[in-house]
Amino acid sequence: KQEVTQIPAALSVPEGENLVLNCSFTDSAIYNLQWFRQDPGKGLTSLLLIQSSQREQTSGRLNASLDKSSGRSTLYIAASQPGDSATYLCAAPGGSEKLVFGKGTKLTVNP
Amino acid sequence: EPEVTQTPSHQVTQMGQEVILRCVPISNHLYFYWYRQILGQKVEFLVSFYNNEISEKSEIFDDQFSVERPDGSNFTLKIRSTKLEDSAMYFCASSGGQTHRPQHFGDGTRLSIL
Repeated sequence: KQEVTQIPAALSVPEGENLVLNCSFTDSAIYNLQWFRQDPGKGLTSLLLIQSSQREQTSGRLNASLDKSSGRSTLYIAASQPGDSATYLCAAPGGSEKLVFGKGTKLTVNP
Repeated sequence: EPEVTQTPSHQVTQMGQEVILRCVPISNHLYFYWYRQILGQKVEFLVSFYNNEISEKSEIFDDQFSVERPDGSNFTLKIRSTKLEDSAMYFCASSGGQTHRPQHFGDGTRLSIL
């Protein structure tokens, strides 16, 4: 049964800092992994989908890596901005079609 | 950019009443999903739907829940007799393919059961 864990639960950084969010998953037989952003009271915005054949995927200041063998993914955010403040969720396939989510990392970027 | 649309954004219902949550998935997508998020908890999978039938459901999706695609554009989640513990944010998602395409989520419907 797939379980997804994200650490830290919360992170507060000054503007401009580079940061890394961590995600671990128990079932490494995945074909992809997805990172989402959630603003308070809002829906989920898909940030990056990284396929199992890829090691990294980049979109702007975001870079996601995937290491299936160790059951880990990281989301790197470069030059953080106050507008990056949100909760970041990692989701891995749970056997077939469903996504299994972590609890998220709440990021606060202070001006 | 195409997006998943959900209505209403907030629904308040008395316990025991039926509620229907509505979603318009992205138009060329073939796979549809419902998830829910109880306040402060993880997003949880409820059900997936493909080719006009349920393809997978979780243990949460009991006989009180049903899904339907009544026409070519809408996808609905019905809760027959709501309970207090059904209070949550309900998200609809759609995907263009099963294994290699991202799931795109709507903004959610906040369901409050009184």
